[in-house]
Amino acid sequence: DAKTTQPTSMDCAEGRAANLPCNHSTISGNEYVYWYRQIHSQGPQYIIHGLKNNETNEMASLIITEDRKSSTLILPHATLRDTAVYYCIAFYGGATNKLIFGTGTLLAVQP
Amino acid sequence: GAVVSQHPSWVICKSGTSVKIECRSLDFQATTMFWYRQFPKQSLMLMATSNEGSKATYEQGVEKDKFLINHASLTLSTLTVTSAHPEDSSFYICSAGTSGSSTDTQYFGPGTRLTVL
Repeated sequence: DAKTTQPTSMDCAEGRAANLPCNHSTISGNEYVYWYRQIHSQGPQYIIHGLKNNETNEMASLIITEDRKSSTLILPHATLRDTAVYYCIAFYGGATNKLIFGTGTLLAVQP
Repeated sequence: GAVVSQHPSWVICKSGTSVKIECRSLDFQATTMFWYRQFPKQSLMLMATSNEGSKATYEQGVEKDKFLINHASLTLSTLTVTSAHPEDSSFYICSAGTSGSSTDTQYFGPGTRLTVL
């Protein structure tokens, strides 16, 4: 799996958009960009994933650059409950491939 | 998304005893499940891949005789920490995917906090 690089931590004001960057310059053509988050002392929660096109669901939006070397996860209106470690993972997808976690970004939403 | 459960949520045991942790896929079948370990302030570390009906495959550095994995059905995988010691105290998390499609994803259980005294 391609290695990803994320900032160690970020702050965001409650109610504002949180934009979490991720670099994955060595991603291969059939690797997806996956985002998970982990709230303290819980299991990781799936957020969103994409291959080439931008994606949006009820939780977030994923913007992938045209060259696929970087992406941004956007939480449109951050709340205190969004405080968590966010993991960006380049992953082939599927139920049998391994998900390898990096260090992630600790997002602290401030009141 | 699909639901994965773990039992127990937390367990405290004495050094030298064995502890079994269950991972269940509640609304889907999973031929493959994964087990992770997470120490405080660290990321998740993949320990092993649990395969239904066959032996688990372990990541480098993980002792297979210490961390016994059994995947006896399509909805249940168990991790047994044998002869547990304080250094085995950790947060253990399992995951499972809902299908073999490359567009599918994996879902995680809530984790089991193991404390070895």
